[in-house]
Amino acid sequence: EIVVTQSPATLSVSPGERVTLSCRTSQGVSNNLAWYQQKPGQAPRLLIYSASIRATGVPARFSGSGSGTEFTLTIGSLQSEDFAVYYCQQYNAPTAFGQGTTVEIK
Amino acid sequence: QVQLVESGPGLVRPSQTLSLTCDVSGDSINSGAHWWSWVRQHPGKGLEWIGYIHYSGSTFYNPSLQSRATISVDTSKNHYSLNLNSVTAADTAVYYCARVVVGGYDTLTGYYLGYFDFWGQGSLVTVSS
Repeated sequence: EIVVTQSPATLSVSPGERVTLSCRTSQGVSNNLAWYQQKPGQAPRLLIYSASIRATGVPARFSGSGSGTEFTLTIGSLQSEDFAVYYCQQYNAPTAFGQGTTVEIK
Repeated sequence: QVQLVESGPGLVRPSQTLSLTCDVSGDSINSGAHWWSWVRQHPGKGLEWIGYIHYSGSTFYNPSLQSRATISVDTSKNHYSLNLNSVTAADTAVYYCARVVVGGYDTLTGYYLGYFDFWGQGSLVTVSS
């Protein structure tokens, strides 16, 4: 079983700041990694797949990078609507999610 | 636009079976282009994959839930279902259905590998007597 670890657990940031979230897997997963955004009371929303490809309709300020065991999600300039919980998901077999990173207002 | 809607009882007694259905619109399950999944989220916690199914009936499950979970599909109704038996309070969660985009195939395990592009709004199921 591949363990997915996200860091930090919580990020306190101000609007307009650049944010970098980390996701690490216990075994290499190539680029089989996705990122999701979840706001309170809502379902997760796909942001990034194949480690670096933005999903349809996702703003260009969201970017993903990495391969193997180390991945990052970067938000170029944080907007008010970006305060949320972010999950990464490795989709090697079997798939698993990280525990999430909360991006909160500083 | 693809839409998924979960339905089922919001309260299940301990030791009973949790049953949920996901109605799909805007896509046809029997097109075979996607797999169809269940994911749950315990209150205030992260996401846990339960399993997924193809229109052919092929299924894959999270090893931790495989002994209790069954996912089935009814292509005539364009919906699929989850049964989780012998539930306890630890199964209290929001249950989501989600469409799977297949990104590859693991020849060693036979798993189809994918991510989730469309999600239902979620259905809270509480296990309590």
